[in-house]
Amino acid sequence: QVQLVQSGAEVKKPGASVKVSCKASGYTFTSYGISWVRQAPGQGLEWMGWISAYNGNTNYAQKLQGRVTMTTDTSTSTAYMELRSLRSDDTAVYYCARVGQQLVWGYWGQGTLVTVSS
Amino acid sequence: EIVLTQSPGTLSLSPGERATLSCRASQSVSSSYLAWYQQKPGQAPRLLIYGASSRATGIPDRFSGSGSGTDFTLTISRLEPEDFAVYYCQQYGSSGGFTFGPGTKVDIK
Repeated sequence: QVQLVQSGAEVKKPGASVKVSCKASGYTFTSYGISWVRQAPGQGLEWMGWISAYNGNTNYAQKLQGRVTMTTDTSTSTAYMELRSLRSDDTAVYYCARVGQQLVWGYWGQGTLVTVSS
Repeated sequence: EIVLTQSPGTLSLSPGERATLSCRASQSVSSSYLAWYQQKPGQAPRLLIYGASSRATGIPDRFSGSGSGTDFTLTISRLEPEDFAVYYCQQYGSSGGFTFGPGTKVDIK
């Protein structure tokens, strides 16, 4: 069965970087994309960007351009999202989701809480 | 960038009632790329509807989606206790990015 398993919670200081992983199983990794979404406490969903696991092409939300990098490691079927220059308003649960045909997001990771605090 | 607006913000209903949730786009969106998600507290979102009207695998037929252009609707024909949650619409735009609406919370009256 399709599974996306994310890395554990992180606590970071302002100005630091965080790298969240999303390990995929149960399907051919390179046949789909991975999208990243975050959700601040009590807030809605914010799309961060996505990456093609086939060729590594990325598209980032304009708001995060320059601070976010998404990569994949096809040898381990793992996607990564790195966010730099962290601020307190980056505190959120970060989710990965598989992007399939018709851009359907049918499978999600369990979420990773990133807390930015001095 | 296309902005999605959802209404109402909160819908207070009783089990067994019909829920009608609206998603309006600031400009026309492709129906092929309009989706609805359900999210319960502490859980990841779950795909309900894609392509504006196609139910995802395992989604009960009390959930239905409709609409085109700038106006889309998610209908829950008879609310079950497990349907009380937050619902988000999502679209994919020509710029190559996705956007979500702010969500509608369906709570128990």
